[in-house]
Amino acid sequence: NAGVTQTPKFQVLKTGQSMTLQCAQDMNHNSMYWYRQDPGMGLRLIYYSASEGTTDKGEVPNGYNVSRLNKREFSLRLESAAPSQTSVYFCASTGTGVTGNTIYFGEGSWLTVV
Amino acid sequence: AQTVTQSQPEMSVQEAETVTLSCTYDTSESNYYLFWYKQPPSRQMILVIRQEAYKQQNATENRFSVNFQKAAKSFSLKISDSQLGDTAMYFCAFILTGTASKLTFGTGTRLQVTL
Repeated sequence: NAGVTQTPKFQVLKTGQSMTLQCAQDMNHNSMYWYRQDPGMGLRLIYYSASEGTTDKGEVPNGYNVSRLNKREFSLRLESAAPSQTSVYFCASTGTGVTGNTIYFGEGSWLTVV
Repeated sequence: AQTVTQSQPEMSVQEAETVTLSCTYDTSESNYYLFWYKQPPSRQMILVIRQEAYKQQNATENRFSVNFQKAAKSFSLKISDSQLGDTAMYFCAFILTGTASKLTFGTGTRLQVTL
């Protein structure tokens, strides 16, 4: 039972470098999300995708881009990393049917920008 | 826009005692789901309990139960027989019915279970 899988789990970047966080779900969910969580704070929505082929901005989209590659995969890209992007990033997905919009999370990706 | 408020930043309870975490939300919609998530120090987000707004009966999962008051827009979590492993951040979350909806989280309550 893989659920939501994120890679990498840990990454250290230098300021100005770029990287992509990968996320995949195997539950045939339509909606996928990227959140960030800073120390001692709640989750803030970066981007979300209601269905394959669509993406929308959340609360804190600046400095990020996303791609909904197919129904399974939703990636988050940092084009030019900044120290303010040091955070834990969570991918999540939701569906309908018997799971009734239950939110499933990946294990998180810890990103440090130095 | 939907909002979720958790007014208790931190709480403490002794082992084996009962504790209640508060959550209020604001929406003009009538069809939605509410959740409580637990986040231990590992930062993993663990689903504790889920409530469908159309159900009057309060959800329960073992030692965890909710008090859902739809008219008051209140969704509190009761943890009975608290255990040391319950020490974690607890987040209340809200989503409208339908897959084109955003998830909204409260700011969390840090629960410490003591001996």
